[in-house]
Order: sequence, then structure tokens, then C-alpha cells
Amino acid sequence: RKEVEQDPGPFNVPEGATVAFNCTYSNSASQSFFWYRQDCRKEPKLLMSVYSSGNEDGRFTAQLNRASQYISLLIRDSKLSDSATYLCVVSENTDKLIFGTGTRLQVFP
Amino acid sequence: DTGVSQDPRHKITKRGQNVTFRCDPISEHNRLYWYRQTLGQGPEFLTYFQNEAQLEKSRLLSDRFSAERPKGSFSTLEIQRTEQGDSAMYLCASSLALALPGEQFFGPGTRLTVL
Repeated sequence: RKEVEQDPGPFNVPEGATVAFNCTYSNSASQSFFWYRQDCRKEPKLLMSVYSSGNEDGRFTAQLNRASQYISLLIRDSKLSDSATYLCVVSENTDKLIFGTGTRLQVFP
Repeated sequence: DTGVSQDPRHKITKRGQNVTFRCDPISEHNRLYWYRQTLGQGPEFLTYFQNEAQLEKSRLLSDRFSAERPKGSFSTLEIQRTEQGDSAMYLCASSLALALPGEQFFGPGTRLTVL
């Protein structure tokens, strides 16, 4: 079983739609949680950290459920520029990041 | 532009040859990481340094792989006796030890193709 599991997609949504991605992680000792974004043929970039209380950054909302070992990302009012792969990432006590396979999002006009 | 640079950007080599990649982190960053990414997968951790000390290596890193950061600035990753399974994108990232956890800045990567 992979340490971080995501649905690879692709999710094809029209502009303006709301889309949600989910992720599960296997190690209950995981301490920190993140979403990274990776554009095609580019390097990953930190999108947002995920906190137990949930957090929002503009159109993006991240949630963490430690009991279920589940992380989510909600994107509201999708833009064409949101098309990318969204990587769910966890970290234990070290600085090592453990990435999921990523979920590909394609927003169409 | 994150400021992490990697060289070369592309490398094609024959099976059995040795290759070396270089990473220059953001100048004030004291932590440096190497990851490997294959098509359709997320990056996979290989190793990381704090200054010149190599603090962790993945169990998946075979003896053919070695990384150095001799002066705590740039780093090199060497793969000896390359195999076709080594074909991947090799990503370098850097961060400040006191930065927010998880805030690593990635370079553009070196794409390795082993024929």
C-alpha cells in the first residue's frame, strides 16, 4: 500500500465549477500536511499547508481529518489557470516530504 | 523562478555509464534535498543535507547512488553503472531549516534517459 494515495484523475471541469480532491495517508505518525501544485513539465510548488482546523486561501480550502487520515482540497470558481496536477504531501518528524501520485485537473472553457 | 538551478537539464546516457548532476540551491538555504520523479508518479525522496551533513538517505537508494554537498552550498548526485530503471526526472529542492515545514523550493530538474 502506498503511503499517500490519491485518485490520479483526470478531473475535467468547466470554468466556474467547484472541484474537490481527496487523499489518504497510511502513517498515523505523520505530522505535517501540504498540497503542492505541479504544472506540466514543471517543478512542484507549495500551494498551501493543511491544518487540523482547516484553512482557506482565496478560492482554495484545505481540510485535515487525523482520525480518518484523510486530507482534502476544494477549489471554488475554477479558472483555466488552475489546470495542473495537485500533489498531496505528508511529512513525519523529519523534513522528508512524502508525495502522492497527484491528481490531474483540467479546466475547460 | 524559485532560484534553485540544476545542471544539466537533460542527460542521455548508455547503460553502464556514470552520470553526475549538480544542484545550486537558493543561496541562504541550508537544507538541500534530492528527489526522483517518474512519469505519472509524485516525487520520491532520495536524500537530504543540512549544510554539508547528509542527514537521511532513502532505503530505496542503492549503493550506485551517492550525493555530496562538500561546502554546504551546491550538491552533486552521482549514479554509477546506470540502468534503464534509473531513467527519471531528478529534482533538487532547498529550504531554510527554520522555515515553515514543507516549504521546499524545487529546481527545474534534470531529466535522465538511460538507453
